[in-house]
Amino acid sequence: DAGITQSPRHKVTETGTPVTLRCHQTENHRYMYWYRQDPGHGLRLIHYSYGVKDTDKGEVSDGYSVSRSKTEDFLLTLESATSSQTSVYFCAISDGTGLEQYFGPGTRLTVT
Amino acid sequence: RKEVEQDPGPFNVPEGATVAFNCTYSNSASQSFFWYRQDCRKEPKLLMSVYSSGNEDGRFTAQLNRASQYISLLIRDSKLSDSATYLCVVTPPTGTYKYIFGTGTRLKVLA
Repeated sequence: DAGITQSPRHKVTETGTPVTLRCHQTENHRYMYWYRQDPGHGLRLIHYSYGVKDTDKGEVSDGYSVSRSKTEDFLLTLESATSSQTSVYFCAISDGTGLEQYFGPGTRLTVT
Repeated sequence: RKEVEQDPGPFNVPEGATVAFNCTYSNSASQSFFWYRQDCRKEPKLLMSVYSSGNEDGRFTAQLNRASQYISLLIRDSKLSDSATYLCVVTPPTGTYKYIFGTGTRLKVLA
């Protein structure tokens, strides 16, 4: 299995609070991605990174920000959590565009 | 039309059966194709990449039909452990970071 961890694995938070999710990889892959998965939707890209300090928006980026200060870490922040952000969040890595992606175990986030 | 479409199933098949899933994609210039497997409440795991010439890995065979814009996954001699959701993934032409995921096809293998 690819060396990808996510923390926390589960979190319950209240509306309006900031939340940060962490993705850590030991594969030294250049590309990292944050997705959310909701029933009835495929995995949807929130943000991605193509190198240290290089990030860009995905299709559902509103309300989220990211940072990547080291190759191995990619942080996802919900600035002010809303109930619509209740979801399962997956981090993924790849060694190049168009190549296989490998996923972390996911974070189950509930916003009450 | 959705960029990637899959029959959601569920496909209920007996152990030992052969089952096939298709996945259609809308962008004829799509570059790469993959099948992932996702167990309930777990992360997607790469099952296999799909090459133009088709590829096989044990009981699993994947094929690409560019003319009709679909990929397929064939599972022979189904096992109970094959029960999962199978996700089709397509990437656009070179230079973009977007991976387009289907919503998955659910397979239940019955004893």
